[in-house]
Amino acid sequence: RKEVEQDPGPFNVPEGATVAFNCTYSNSASQSFFWYRQDCRKEPKLLMSVYSSGNEDGRFTAQLNRASQYISLLIRDSKLSDSATYLCVVNGDNYGQNFVFGPGTRLSVLP
Amino acid sequence: GAGVSQSPRYKVAKRGQDVALRCDPISGHVSLFWYQQALGQGPEFLTYFQNEAQLDKSGLPSDRFFAERPEGSVSTLKIQRTQQEDSAVYLCASSFRGSENTEAFFGQGTRLTVV
Repeated sequence: RKEVEQDPGPFNVPEGATVAFNCTYSNSASQSFFWYRQDCRKEPKLLMSVYSSGNEDGRFTAQLNRASQYISLLIRDSKLSDSATYLCVVNGDNYGQNFVFGPGTRLSVLP
Repeated sequence: GAGVSQSPRYKVAKRGQDVALRCDPISGHVSLFWYQQALGQGPEFLTYFQNEAQLDKSGLPSDRFFAERPEGSVSTLKIQRTQQEDSAVYLCASSFRGSENTEAFFGQGTRLTVV
């Protein structure tokens, strides 16, 4: 079993739709959680950190459930520019330093 | 620029050739990571440095892969006797401390094609 798993995707949604991504992780000792965004043939870039209390940044809301080892990302009122691959990232391994990536979920927002 | 810099951006190697990929992290960043990303997949961890110390190399796929960061700044990932399955994008990332909630910043990657 992979250490970080995500919805397989791809997700094809119309503009303005709300879309949710799910992620689960296996290492209960994990300490930090992030969502990264990766555009085609580009490097991953931080979208938002995920805090225990949940956090929101504009149209994006991230939630963490430590008991279930589950992370989510909700995008409201999706835009064409949101089209990308969304990577769930978990940090906290043997030395507490290893960023482990999920396989990513590709989102296409259609006009 | 102040970001993570990788070179070369593209590398074509003949099977059996040795290659060296360079990463210049953000100045002052203690932690440095190498990842391998195959087409359509998420980045797979290769190895991690804290300063000059290689604390985790559990992701290196074989003993043909070697990484170093001798002065705690620039890092080199070396692949000996390249094989076709080594074709991928190699991403380098750095973070200030790699501690809780510290994000990792990525370079643009080196796209390696082994022919």
